[in-house]
Amino acid sequence: DAGVTQSPTHLIKTRGQQVTLRCSPISGHKSVSWYQQVLGQGPQFIFQYYEKEERGRGNFPDRFSARQFPNYSSELNVNALLLGDSALYLCASSLSGTENSPLHFGNGTRLTVT
Amino acid sequence: AQRVTQPEKLLSVFKGAPVELKCNYSYSGSPELFWYVQYSRQRLQLLLRHISRESIKGFTADLNKGETSFHLKKPFAQEEDSAMYYCALGLYNTDKLIFGTGTRLQVFP
Repeated sequence: DAGVTQSPTHLIKTRGQQVTLRCSPISGHKSVSWYQQVLGQGPQFIFQYYEKEERGRGNFPDRFSARQFPNYSSELNVNALLLGDSALYLCASSLSGTENSPLHFGNGTRLTVT
Repeated sequence: AQRVTQPEKLLSVFKGAPVELKCNYSYSGSPELFWYVQYSRQRLQLLLRHISRESIKGFTADLNKGETSFHLKKPFAQEEDSAMYYCALGLYNTDKLIFGTGTRLQVFP
């Protein structure tokens, strides 16, 4: 099993630009979630998508958006990047999309905004 | 408000010593609690969950609703236990986890 895969692994963007991060879940997993991890903090929930529908959204501005495709892969978009958006972005997948099935995390995309 | 608190940023012990990583939570509903671990250069992975009531790699954690705690314990630490440990609170019917800030465990030989 390949596990959750994320691309790219690293990204450097300039303030004001837009970025798209990609995630492929474990085969058979229908739920994908996105987390932001700032240095020294635990991951913070951004979005969850299950069966292509948004199931939950964290306390992030509208500059953050996401979607899930028919093959259950997902993209996270961030517009009008700010320096504070610099973080590790983690994608996680699960079977049922509830607290009953464990989350499997990817290695993350390290975003640096300059 | 939903919150997870891990009071220790760093915990250092010698091999063979007991370990207790503290976790306290705040949640008005029925809590679903997890411990996740991240070893050096590896991805974040589930260590254990309270509902399973199992021991993984010698670690156990008991949910104490009265003290709103879910401390992680191991009687005899091993060098390979050195890692970053996160306590997390799961919300009903979602994949949303509220993570603590993490505790780095260092086990010295």
